Amino acid sequence: GESVGLHLPTLSVQEGDNSIINCAYSNSASDYFIWYKQESGKGPQFIIDIRSNMDKRQGQRVTVLLNKTVKHLSLQIAATQPGDSAVYFCAENIDGGFKTIFGAGTRLFVKA
Amino acid sequence: GAGVSQSPSNKVTEKGKDVELRCDPISGHTALYWYRQSLGQGLEFLIYFQGNSAPDKSGLPSDRFSAERTGGSVSTLTIQRTQQEDSAVYLCASSYEIGRDRGAYEQYFGPGTRLTVT
Repeated sequence: GESVGLHLPTLSVQEGDNSIINCAYSNSASDYFIWYKQESGKGPQFIIDIRSNMDKRQGQRVTVLLNKTVKHLSLQIAATQPGDSAVYFCAENIDGGFKTIFGAGTRLFVKA
Repeated sequence: GAGVSQSPSNKVTEKGKDVELRCDPISGHTALYWYRQSLGQGLEFLIYFQGNSAPDKSGLPSDRFSAERTGGSVSTLTIQRTQQEDSAVYLCASSYEIGRDRGAYEQYFGPGTRLTVT
């Protein structure tokens, strides 16, 4: 079925370095994309979103890049901190619909 | 204010028994969603509600699964004749339904119910 996949299941970075988490999506009709962070034992937490009419969107220490040509999404975290350690999910949604398709997730480890 | 709450937090049941999982969304959120997350896996979309209506039930894994929402608030997910493969964390989320430019689809998740079928 439809799926949003991730290139790397785990990512280990040094504290203070920048992190890049990648995601490929399969549905070319998707026009809304979201990144969620999930810490152990908790539900996912919204980080940042982007609509298909944009290529880049910045938040606090996070940037999402969207390349519709190759159906690729990335999350960049600047100056990664230990508190950023979590599983990160990308998700896609087709405008007007509430069905959200999540990827399998990437676990981010931040080494002190 | 209070976030999305779910109960119970943990549920252990015997194979073949029925279970009912509860979700209390954020007050004022008209959209409600149920997901299933198996260990080490992503989130599997099950169903969503717009108010009390569930327009699309195709995500439910089998006819043993059902969900309802009353009063535009509390929702219950019922699994009949539970099987071991039903063991997972069941997550509920809610969101506003406002204009596209206002983050209409940002979903707020509850902590989940961990279901173990023995």
